[in-house]
Amino acid sequence: KNQVEQSPQSLIILEGKNCTLQCNYTVSPFSNLRWYKQDTGRGPVSLTIMTFSENTKSNGRYTATLDADTKQSSLHITASQLSDSASYICVVSYGGSQGNLIFGKGTKLSVKP
Amino acid sequence: SQTIHQWPATLVQPVGSPLSLECTVEGTSNPNLYWYRQAAGRGLQLLFYSVGIGQISSEVPQNLSASRPQDRQFILSSKKLLLSDSGFYLCAGLRDRQGTQYFGPGTRLLVL
Repeated sequence: KNQVEQSPQSLIILEGKNCTLQCNYTVSPFSNLRWYKQDTGRGPVSLTIMTFSENTKSNGRYTATLDADTKQSSLHITASQLSDSASYICVVSYGGSQGNLIFGKGTKLSVKP
Repeated sequence: SQTIHQWPATLVQPVGSPLSLECTVEGTSNPNLYWYRQAAGRGLQLLFYSVGIGQISSEVPQNLSASRPQDRQFILSSKKLLLSDSGFYLCAGLRDRQGTQYFGPGTRLLVL
């Protein structure tokens, strides 16, 4: 069964600290993996996208890694800011159809001053 | 740039009433469009996607339907709402060939 599991479910950190969010997937055939940021009450916004051959991708203070062998991805946030408070969603696409996307439930990150 | 518009932002409807949520796109033509539902504490669930006018694919059997009357318009409807239809509804378009999507602001629906 195609699944995307994210951990932790929620996380609270102090402003300026780093954190790492995890995504494990059992999706086949794997096409690519994306991380989205979703502010409360808003639509998700794409942060990074990685294909099978990519191990790491950065977007400012966000760095995503992908281990296709273990089917794990992580999103590392450096020097967190209050505006990083949001849900972070891991999305894995499979096959070639546009509709083949599996969404994780997300990790809710709260950055406190 | 491509932009998704959705309205209303919030909607409270009684059980058994009809529903019509509208999504429009600007900045692109013939986009692939998607309707998602996000229930509290759960991930995004793909409901429908459309590759063109009049072309709708349904991902899950449900109380909802979708229509694509115009190239840049995607409508989500129901004849009779259920309590379980409550949730956050997001419309999305396809940004690139790798499948990255851009999302609208969403509509929060509460069925009482």
